[in-house]
Amino acid sequence: GAGVSQSPSNKVTEKGKDVELRCDPISGHTALYWYRQSLGQGLEFLIYFQGNSAPDKSGLPSDRFSAERTGGSVSTLTIQRTQQEDSAVYLCASSPVEWGRNIQYFGAGTRLSVL
Amino acid sequence: GQQVMQIPQYQHVQEGEDFTTYCNSSTTLSNIQWYKQRPGGHPVFLIQLVKSGEVKKQKRLTFQFGEAKKNSSLHITATQTTDVGTYFCAGPSNYQLIWGAGTKLIIKP
Repeated sequence: GAGVSQSPSNKVTEKGKDVELRCDPISGHTALYWYRQSLGQGLEFLIYFQGNSAPDKSGLPSDRFSAERTGGSVSTLTIQRTQQEDSAVYLCASSPVEWGRNIQYFGAGTRLSVL
Repeated sequence: GQQVMQIPQYQHVQEGEDFTTYCNSSTTLSNIQWYKQRPGGHPVFLIQLVKSGEVKKQKRLTFQFGEAKKNSSLHITATQTTDVGTYFCAGPSNYQLIWGAGTKLIIKP
């Protein structure tokens, strides 16, 4: 299991329900990123974790969105009271954050559909 | 804040024609990265350019980094169906990446 793992791969939920999306980064990668990608669109930054530092939450679109990273490894993105406009693919990436070479490695994403 | 602009948004080509996408940053970059996202897939790292004026080739793909380290381009020669996807450039900002909007390469039927 060398890559970034995300689960579930697909999630269908009803408007108003809460959802949790999981990301398991590459072992040893200290940085973890969440992005949202709507159909045919680019990458929308959501949140960034780096080691034990406070996360950069500047991209979270509303207070319905939150994320945590436990033990510097697995991360969970939680969306409360989902809305139809939350429907998108949620991508997680991790990076070893070597100086001058912060390449990001992406998981396959979670496709969220809010009915 | 720092921005990375990428054009065009789409490019339709006949198979065998060339394709080019351009990136411009509002600030000087220490490096620039290029990623490819196949339809239904996730972004995959292609290459990183670091030096001013650097040119790197990967088979039919040629990547350039401008002398001022504020712009970059990706050129694909003689496109093939396997090239279909969206190509993103990204420049570092602290330990994050500022992403271009991507250029979608579409092969005309």
